Amino acid sequence: DGGITQSPKYLFRKEGQNVTLSCEQNLNHDAMYWYRQDPGQGLRLIYYSQIVNDFQKGDIAEGYSVSREKKESFPLTVTSAQKNPTAFYLCASSPLGAGGKTQYFGPGTRLLVL
Amino acid sequence: AQSVTQLGSHVSVSEGALVLLRCNYSSSVPPYLFWYVQYPNQGLQLLLKYTSAATLVKGINGFEAEFKKSETSFHLTKPSAHMSDAAEYFCAVSESGAGNKLTFGGGTRVLVKP
Repeated sequence: DGGITQSPKYLFRKEGQNVTLSCEQNLNHDAMYWYRQDPGQGLRLIYYSQIVNDFQKGDIAEGYSVSREKKESFPLTVTSAQKNPTAFYLCASSPLGAGGKTQYFGPGTRLLVL
Repeated sequence: AQSVTQLGSHVSVSEGALVLLRCNYSSSVPPYLFWYVQYPNQGLQLLLKYTSAATLVKGINGFEAEFKKSETSFHLTKPSAHMSDAAEYFCAVSESGAGNKLTFGGGTRVLVKP
């Protein structure tokens, strides 16, 4: 079955700690995205990548970092600089192209602060 | 810059009644428009999308949406609500040349009453 997997489902962060959220896809998509979801605010783009070894900041990149060493993988690190990390994090992927390409979403990771 | 407004953060409908979810967008170029559905603690699933073909778009689960350029709207409807339609619905827009990035509305949570 093709799809996107995210792990873990729940993640707890202690004060001052960096944590990494995993995102893997086997859809052979070139583009991958990370979104943050807060109640009543929809989804906001953190980072996106259109090709291996390249990525761009989205609207709320401060306090986050990413890497894209493999086409299938796009991990997100929530650093200690992110002062309000509690949220639901969603990873997505899509083909590249002229536009209107559907983004496919993973099941999400809920990050909570201890 | 593109933006999306969803009128009504919560909508309550009776089972068997019409479901109408409103979405208005702003875009400087012809947009691509999407409706996604999210069930609790899950990722997003595509309901339907508009990519400049027919203005009336049919999607999964009996939903459809009509693109009205003059009103900059893309409202989602379903003639008869089912209990399984209880979920959160997101409208999103992307622009050609914007790297397939999506901008989401704030979401509308649908409650279906028996």
